[in-house]
Amino acid sequence: AQSVTQLDSQVPVFEEAPVELRCNYSSSVSVYLFWYVQYPNQGLQLLLKYLSGSTLVKGINGFEAEFNKSQTSFHLRKPSVHISDTAEYFCAVSEEYGNKLVFGAGTILRVKS
Amino acid sequence: DVKVTQSSRYLVKRTGEKVFLECVQDMDHENMFWYRQDPGLGLRLIYFSYDVKMKEKGDIPEGYSVSREKKERFSLILESASTNQTSMYLCASIGPGQGTYEQYFGPGTRLTVT
Repeated sequence: AQSVTQLDSQVPVFEEAPVELRCNYSSSVSVYLFWYVQYPNQGLQLLLKYLSGSTLVKGINGFEAEFNKSQTSFHLRKPSVHISDTAEYFCAVSEEYGNKLVFGAGTILRVKS
Repeated sequence: DVKVTQSSRYLVKRTGEKVFLECVQDMDHENMFWYRQDPGLGLRLIYFSYDVKMKEKGDIPEGYSVSREKKERFSLILESASTNQTSMYLCASIGPGQGTYEQYFGPGTRLTVT
């Protein structure tokens, strides 16, 4: 069975500093990987996804993630965060197109001025 | 743009009431999903549907049922609401031929059962 572990429940960071949100997954087959963001009082919005090909994936709002198959990780990074990046971030994995996503517990990113 | 709408943003119900949460998508998507979101637990799949009148249990179906009479609408039903069903409920959809593999989410319904 698939599972996703987000290693940090909360990450405080100062504005303009770099940030990394960590995600590890377990699966016995090939997977599709996603990062979603949830701003306060809103639904989830896709940040980026890995389906195949290049292991470095670029998404919206300056975020990127690197798929590391040997370490079964898909960490999210941004070189310089803004106050507006304050939100909850979810890593998710799917083994099959159109089928269910398995989510991690989420990481709350708090950007301080 | 794909739009997924949910009938209520906030809902307060009493224990034992029958509760209906409605979700509508406007992109002719085949697959629809209901998730429950709780702090520290992320999103957990309750039920999903890959066609009209078809449904499959997710990871936490107990205490819930669903209905999909029309392709665009997927309803979540709490037959007899209990306080442990107080949560945020999120609906999502995805369509065939979508190379993005992205599930589109509604804004969520925050349900409080008292």
